[in-house]
Amino acid sequence: NAGVTQTPKFQVLKTGQSMTLQCAQDMNHNSMYWYRQDPGMGLRLIYYSASEGTTDKGEVPNGYNVSRLNKREFSLRLESAAPSQTSVYFCASSPARGPASTDTQYFGPGTRLTVL
Amino acid sequence: GQSLEQPSEVTAVEGAIVQINCTYQTSGFYGLSWYQQHDGGAPTFLSYNALDGLEETGRFSSFLSRSDSYGYLLLQELQMKDSASYFCAVRDTGGFKTIFGAGTRLFVKA
Repeated sequence: NAGVTQTPKFQVLKTGQSMTLQCAQDMNHNSMYWYRQDPGMGLRLIYYSASEGTTDKGEVPNGYNVSRLNKREFSLRLESAAPSQTSVYFCASSPARGPASTDTQYFGPGTRLTVL
Repeated sequence: GQSLEQPSEVTAVEGAIVQINCTYQTSGFYGLSWYQQHDGGAPTFLSYNALDGLEETGRFSSFLSRSDSYGYLLLQELQMKDSASYFCAVRDTGGFKTIFGAGTRLFVKA
């Protein structure tokens, strides 16, 4: 099992450019998440998908869109990149089916994005 | 508002025991998780508490008091490889939204 994979690993964009970060998991997990992590800070939830076909906003959704393409894949799109979106982006998945489930999240290796 | 508070840094000696505290204030609560992150790496899951009490996994233990909105991570027999950042996280409203603390940087000295 590859676990959670993310592409690309590194990306440099100019202000106003768009791009899509890809995430896939092969663990048959229901829930998937996108986080951003700024230097010296914790992870902030951008969007999450509790199950295939559903997506919901997290703490910092502005400037981002997501697509839960199927159970395996959850992509994050920046339509018009801004320097404030320079960050490390992590995708995660969890087998949790609801509040009663143990919330174990498995993280991908991250995408390091710089917006100039 | 929603917030989690944990110390920014903790330093301990190899072989010692260290406790990292976390207090939370969130609109909903289903459980408290702990994650470890080494520099340049991805977070990895350590433990999850949904009910009050102590959960033990090897050298690591985690405690939760729901009435006090408080938890801690206990690391025993510290090793140099335990030097990392440790994050507490609360599972919030709906059971899927996760809020992370800012992290505690643990330095283990020889």
